[in-house]
Amino acid sequence: AQRVTQPEKLLSVFKGAPVELKCNYSYSGSPELFWYVQYSRQRLQLLLRHISRESIKGFTADLNKGETSFHLKKPFAQEEDSAMYYCALRAYNQGGKLIFGQGTELSVKP
Amino acid sequence: NAGVTQTPKFQVLKTGQSMTLQCAQDMNHEYMSWYRQDPGMGLRLIHYSVGAGITDQGEVPNGYNVSRSTTEDFPLRLLSAAPSQTSVYFCASRIQGVAFFGQGTRLTVV
Repeated sequence: AQRVTQPEKLLSVFKGAPVELKCNYSYSGSPELFWYVQYSRQRLQLLLRHISRESIKGFTADLNKGETSFHLKKPFAQEEDSAMYYCALRAYNQGGKLIFGQGTELSVKP
Repeated sequence: NAGVTQTPKFQVLKTGQSMTLQCAQDMNHEYMSWYRQDPGMGLRLIHYSVGAGITDQGEVPNGYNVSRSTTEDFPLRLLSAAPSQTSVYFCASRIQGVAFFGQGTRLTVV
């Protein structure tokens, strides 16, 4: 079954520290993976997608098919990065459904 | 361009009552979906639609109905509200896997 797992409910770091939000998936086929972010009092929105291979707000994510992972990384966390982060997988073999993980709350302390 | 608009933002229902959560989008997206967001469970897909006149069940469809008579609108109906349906509900429209979310409806069933 297709599944997205984010093992950490809460990740707390200090400003300037590196951040890695973990995401593992199970999918039979070539996956399309995304990271979505929800800042306080704002809508859930796309942060980045693996096919774009871009850095957004200093965040990057590399798809590792061997480890079935898509971890989100940032070398130096900022307080404004505090938010809820969701990893998502587009399941082509299930009508293109977007399957989300459980979410990780990132708290960046001053 | 309003994007995805959900109404109402907040709602309190008594057990057994029915109601409809409204969702409208003005981006001409074919794909629309409804999710519920619960602590520790992430976003779970309730129902989705790949175009007008076509709907399908997601992960947690029981107790909910949908219809898609136009491209723009995708209402979610709670048939007989139960306390287990207390949650935050998000509507989303999609293009090429990128989802655009509404602001959410916080529903409490007492």
